[in-house]
Amino acid sequence: AQRVTQPEKLLSVFKGAPVELKCNYSYSGSPELFWYVQYSRQRLQLLLRHISRESIKGFTADLNKGETSFHLKKPFAQEEDSAMYYCALLPWAGRGANNLFFGTGTRLTVIP
Amino acid sequence: DAGITQSPRHKVTETGTPVTLRCHQTENHRYMYWYRQDPGHGLRLIHYSYGVKDTDKGEVSDGYSVSRSKTEDFLLTLESATSSQTSVYFCAISEQGEKLFFGSGTQLSVL
Repeated sequence: AQRVTQPEKLLSVFKGAPVELKCNYSYSGSPELFWYVQYSRQRLQLLLRHISRESIKGFTADLNKGETSFHLKKPFAQEEDSAMYYCALLPWAGRGANNLFFGTGTRLTVIP
Repeated sequence: DAGITQSPRHKVTETGTPVTLRCHQTENHRYMYWYRQDPGHGLRLIHYSYGVKDTDKGEVSDGYSVSRSKTEDFLLTLESATSSQTSVYFCAISEQGEKLFFGSGTQLSVL
């Protein structure tokens, strides 16, 4: 069975400091990993996915299969980064619909 | 934003009453999902659909049913609401089951 773990419910950092939101997963196959973000009063939206290998809003995330992790990082936090962040895993079950499994989320607060 | 609308936005109901939440999309996406969001649990999948009249259960489907008679509409029904179903409900759509687009959510309170 698949599982996504985000060990930190709350994370506070100062503006300009580096930030790392942790995500660990368990899945026997080759998953696809995502980070979704929910800003205040906005819809939950995709931030980035590991296969894209892109940097969005200064955030990056590297899939580490050895450590089964997909941590989200940003070198210099900004106040507008304050939001709820969800790590999600897509297992390839070969069925008609592929369902995302979400972690419990980390609320990031960037202190001015 | 993707064309996805949830209704109602807020609902207060009493224990034992039936409740139906509606999700409407204008994107003609194949996949539609209902999630609930609860503190400490994150987002949990209730039911999903991979086509008209094709639905399946998610991880927390007990007490919920769904219907999809048209591509654009996905209904979530609580046959007899309970206080444990107080939550924020999110509908999502996807073209291929990968990138999800979410609705604004429905805040449901069961008293």
